[in-house]
Amino acid sequence: SQQGEEDPQALSIQEGENATMNCSYKTSINNLQWYRQNSGRGLVHLILIRSNEREKHSGRLRVTLDTSKKSSSLLITASRAADTASYFCATDAGGGSEKLVFGKGMKLTVNP
Amino acid sequence: GAVVSQHPSWVICKSGTSVKIECRSLDFQATTMFWYRQFPKQSLMLMATSNEGSKATYEQGVEKDKFLINHASLTLSTLTVTSAHPEDSSFYICSARSVNEKLFFGSGTQLSVL
Repeated sequence: SQQGEEDPQALSIQEGENATMNCSYKTSINNLQWYRQNSGRGLVHLILIRSNEREKHSGRLRVTLDTSKKSSSLLITASRAADTASYFCATDAGGGSEKLVFGKGMKLTVNP
Repeated sequence: GAVVSQHPSWVICKSGTSVKIECRSLDFQATTMFWYRQFPKQSLMLMATSNEGSKATYEQGVEKDKFLINHASLTLSTLTVTSAHPEDSSFYICSARSVNEKLFFGSGTQLSVL
């Protein structure tokens, strides 16, 4: 089955609220990354968390990683309409592979 | 910051024609580039890994004769969809790996085959 599955698949919130997206994976990883994609555009790297890290912050973003549960969460605080996009988690394929395995993605809509 | 330029951003072609998509790293050298395919509302699926000066490594199920990849220099990789058919219509995205192992993505190419 596919590694890196986000939950929920779609989320609609009001501006100012926090948005939490979860991602689960199935194999051992070296790191997990979160990306953002605006409709019809390429991906923008948001944050990378290594397997030996439990939490990481970047601006309004907070990422956690629980390797025992093979899960990660991305929290966007004080959301803005401009945060509307699809968000993907991605894990390295392991075994020294350069490849990234992307999750299904989660569509976030922030209503003004 | 590092920029990856992907061109064209949008192409419509007739069935049976070939389409070439370029992916350039503008201010860094990328020994490895990746090509992805994305269907509407779905995730990115890796098609192939492209290494400069060597043959691309294709993922299972991806036809190498259908999707020709050339990585002739450290800043340019091309994907050619040969004899395109409507089922090849998709969003194609490239990414380039910098020396510090960060991935930078192109803006994608929407291919529509009539």
